[in-house]
Order: sequence, then C-alpha cells, then structure tokens
Amino acid sequence: DGGITQSPKYLFRKEGQNVTLSCEQNLNHDAMYWYRQDPGQGLRLIYYSQIVNDFQKGDIAEGYSVSREKKESFPLTVTSAQKNPTAFYLCASLDRVNTGELFFGEGSRLTVL
Amino acid sequence: KQEVTQIPAALSVPEGENLVLNCSFTDSAIYNLQWFRQDPGKGLTSLLLIQSSQREQTSGRLNASLDKSSGRSTLYIAASQPGDSATYLCAVTRETSGSRLTFGEGTQLTVNP
Repeated sequence: DGGITQSPKYLFRKEGQNVTLSCEQNLNHDAMYWYRQDPGQGLRLIYYSQIVNDFQKGDIAEGYSVSREKKESFPLTVTSAQKNPTAFYLCASLDRVNTGELFFGEGSRLTVL
Repeated sequence: KQEVTQIPAALSVPEGENLVLNCSFTDSAIYNLQWFRQDPGKGLTSLLLIQSSQREQTSGRLNASLDKSSGRSTLYIAASQPGDSATYLCAVTRETSGSRLTFGEGTQLTVNP
C-alpha cells in the first residue's frame, strides 16, 4: 500500500534535547512538507522540500531543521532552540504531477517534559 | 498574504440532517482548493479537490463547490451520520506560491445519534 509513514507516533523529550521525527513516503512524490498543529489552531508550515537536496523555510522554521537526501525521506529535527516544541507534527507529500492532492501521514505527538 | 477562514468553528447537528460547511479565502488567484477530514489524534484525509477551473466536485454524500470570484467554497454533507463527526479543514494553493498550501482552522462537526 502506498502512503506516508511517520514515526514515532508518540515521543517524550526532556528540555534541552534534540529529537528527530521520521517521515517516509512510497508515493514517488517530489514535494514533501512538515506542519505543526496546536490545539484549536490550524496547520502551520515548518519546512518544505520540492525536490531532493533542496528545502525551504516555512512560516515557523526557527528551532527546527530538516534534510532531504533521498526522495522518500524527509526527517525533521526539533532542536533545543525551539522554545515551545510540545505539539502534533504532521508530514505530507504532494502529488504535483497528477491531481495536485496533498497526502498526510498519521502524525507524531511530541511532549516535552 | 492569503488568509483562509472557516465558519462556524464548531457545529452540532442531529443524525440525518443535511449540512453546509463554509470556507472563504482572501486571494482569488488560487490553483486549487482541497477539503480534508481529521479525526482526533490522526492525520488529515483528503476528501475532495477542486481545480480553479472547476465549479464543484462530488464524492458519495459529499459535494464541494468553488466560487473563485467571491473567494468561497462550501462542503455539503447529505444525510449526516455519527461517523461523519470529525474536524473538516479546507486548504488553498495560490497560483504564485508554487506548492505551498494555506489552511483554515477547521470546523469541528458533531453528528448526534
């Protein structure tokens, strides 16, 4: 089955630690995205990548970093510089060639203790 | 800057009722508009995508319409069921933004048995 896999589903982190969230897709999509969702709020774009080895900052990139070494993978690192990292993180990829439809993973919930 | 607004923020209806969810956007120069469903603690599932040249799209009990000139889209749900209870989000892709989408904050729908 084609889709987007995010891991881990739940993650707990102590203050001052960096954590990396995994996002893998087998949909052969070039464009991938990371969004953050807080309770009662819409999705905010952290980073996006339109092609391998290239990525751009979104609206709230401070305290986050990404890499795009392979088409299938777009990991997100939440660094200790992110002041309020507790949130629900969603990865997505875009079918830019056929439908223009955006597909999402199941999300990763990060809690800072 | 594109802004997307969804009204109402929450809606509660009895089972069997037909209902309409609203989405408005400030910049009519859009490439497409997409409606999503999100269940609690889950990722987003694409429901319908309307290209800028289209007026509406239908899938089962769902019908989405698009009026670019007025900056509005509606999602019509016929014969609502308790299983339709979820948060519904709309997102627009602007023509000049490449692959970036702007999301509304969503409408939380509860269908009571």
